[in-house]
Amino acid sequence: NAGVTQTPKFRVLKTGQSMTLLCAQDMNHEYMYWYRQDPGMGLRLIHYSVGEGTTAKGEVPDGYNVSRLKKQNFLLGLESAAPSQTSVYFCASSSPTSAPYQQLKTYNEQFFGPGTRLTVL
Amino acid sequence: QKEVEQDPGPLSVPEGAIVSLNCTYSNSAFQYFMWYRQYSRKGPELLMYTYSSGNKEDGRFTAQVDKSSKYISLFIRDSQPSDSATYLCPRVDGNTPLVFGKGTRLSVIA
Repeated sequence: NAGVTQTPKFRVLKTGQSMTLLCAQDMNHEYMYWYRQDPGMGLRLIHYSVGEGTTAKGEVPDGYNVSRLKKQNFLLGLESAAPSQTSVYFCASSSPTSAPYQQLKTYNEQFFGPGTRLTVL
Repeated sequence: QKEVEQDPGPLSVPEGAIVSLNCTYSNSAFQYFMWYRQYSRKGPELLMYTYSSGNKEDGRFTAQVDKSSKYISLFIRDSQPSDSATYLCPRVDGNTPLVFGKGTRLSVIA
């Protein structure tokens, strides 16, 4: 199992350019997420999806769009990149898990990819 | 007010020291607690999770939850340079996305 993979690993854009980040998972997970991580800010949720064909906004969705056309893929798009979008982007996936000793309760272990380092000049 | 607050660090300790990393939470309905570890230039990975109160031990790591004081702790015994990383205690609320804070950066000096 490759787990969660992200393409590309690095990218440099000029202001106004567009690009798409690809996330793929081979664990048959229902849920997928995009986070960004900036120095001093921690991980912040951009968008997420609870199933194929569904998406929802997270904490910082402005300037990004997403699509989940296939269960295993989650795409993050930047239509017109801005320097404020310089960041490290992490994709994650999960399936609700029932605790072995508490069948009525679930928790959400998220598996993360290696990240994409994006610089917008 | 964030629902989970974490000591900001950074924390620097000598090799072999016992490390204590701490978080507090405000919502008494939280049942699960997780610790993620993130090495530099890598994605976070789940280190441990616990349910409700009590301790959970895994090798040199112990996760402790005190529901009466709403306190979460991660103890690392005999710390190693390979433990140098950022440790995160996200808000865990059912199937909703995990909410992460800034984490605590730990450096273990050989």
